[in-house]
Amino acid sequence: ETGVTQSPTHLIKTRGQQVTLRCSSQSGHNTVSWYQQALGQGPQFIFQYYREEENGRGNFPPRFSGLQFPNYSSELNVNALELDDSALYLCASSEAGGSGVNSPLHFGNGTRLTVT
Amino acid sequence: QKEVEQNSGPLSVPEGAIASLNCTYSDRGSQSFFWYRQYSGKSPELIMSIYSNGDKEDGRFTAQLNKASQYVSLLIRDSQPSDSATYLCAVKPHNDMRFGAGTRLTVKP
Repeated sequence: ETGVTQSPTHLIKTRGQQVTLRCSSQSGHNTVSWYQQALGQGPQFIFQYYREEENGRGNFPPRFSGLQFPNYSSELNVNALELDDSALYLCASSEAGGSGVNSPLHFGNGTRLTVT
Repeated sequence: QKEVEQNSGPLSVPEGAIASLNCTYSDRGSQSFFWYRQYSGKSPELIMSIYSNGDKEDGRFTAQLNKASQYVSLLIRDSQPSDSATYLCAVKPHNDMRFGAGTRLTVKP
């Protein structure tokens, strides 16, 4: 069974630039969620994708956007980077969106983004 | 009021003792509850899930849920130094999962 994989592992960007982070879901999982985790904080929900559609969104501005592809992999795009966007970005997959209330999340190793 | 609240710690226990971690949540409609462990610099890994009131045991770990009090806890028996990590409480009120800030546990040899 292939787990959740994320790329790249580390990234350094300059304020104002744009970044794309990538995620491949665990085999058999059709739902992908993205989280931002600042140092010393818990993961904060950005959004979730199910069947290539956004299926829920947290309190993040529109410059955070995403995509899900037919193979259930996903991208997180952040435009106009700010210093406060420096964080660990976590991708997690689960078995079912919508009615899958009991489905736990399985996390990838994350992408550490530093904005200077 | 935060959606999921945990004591940030640090919580320090001696090796072999019981570690008790607590969590409260605000959304009464929440149906699913999870505990994740996160080592420094790593991603969260699932330890336990619980969906019904009462206790659920898995090895040295016991999760307890009281929906009337909106309270979830995790007990770690016979704590080991390798249990030293941050423990995240997570609640799933709808499709998405919401996390607390985590409790940092240190188990001293």
